Amino acid sequence: QVQLQQSGAELAKPGSSVKISCKASGYTFTSYYISWIKQTTGQGLEYIGYINTGSGGTNYNEKFKGKATLTVDKSSSTAFMQLSSLTPDDSAVYYCAGELGWFAYWGQGTLVTVSS
Amino acid sequence: DIVMTQSPSSLAVSAGETVTINCKSSQSLLSSGNQKNYLAWYQQKPGQSPKLLIYLASTRESGVPDRFIGSGSGTDFTLTISSVQAEDLADYYCQQHYSYPDTFGAGTKLELK
Repeated sequence: QVQLQQSGAELAKPGSSVKISCKASGYTFTSYYISWIKQTTGQGLEYIGYINTGSGGTNYNEKFKGKATLTVDKSSSTAFMQLSSLTPDDSAVYYCAGELGWFAYWGQGTLVTVSS
Repeated sequence: DIVMTQSPSSLAVSAGETVTINCKSSQSLLSSGNQKNYLAWYQQKPGQSPKLLIYLASTRESGVPDRFIGSGSGTDFTLTISSVQAEDLADYYCQQHYSYPDTFGAGTKLELK
């Protein structure tokens, strides 16, 4: 069955970066784009952007340009999202999702906490 | 960006009731090319990831019980849950993928009365 397994929780200091992974299994990796979604109590669900798992091409929500960088390693069927220049506003649960326009499959989420 | 407005924000129900959750978009989600509405519904239980229920406004995802029904077109959409069961208590979100970036509604919390 399709699974997206994300890396574990991160505790980071303001100004630093984190890199979250999303390892796919149970399907042909290039069948779905991988999208990333941020969830907070205050802002709800926010779409960050997607990566074309075949070409590596990316498209970002304007709000997250300069904050998130999406990459992919086809050899390990893994997508990555790096978040840079972290502030407390970046504290959230981040999900990867297999996209067909709608989000058919979701990872379990990665909690990122930004605190000094 | 397209704004998705969900109502109500919370709903208290008893088991066996039928509930309706509304989602209104600030622009039409209907494609003139294929007459499909690019609207999806998700269910999220505490501590879990969202789960796809409905896509293209009314197509139920495989394995989703038929008591979940999506309807609507253009800018107005509805998720109906008939004969609510205890396992349906969760947060529900709509999402549009007609126009980039995708956007979500703020959610509807379904609680036990």
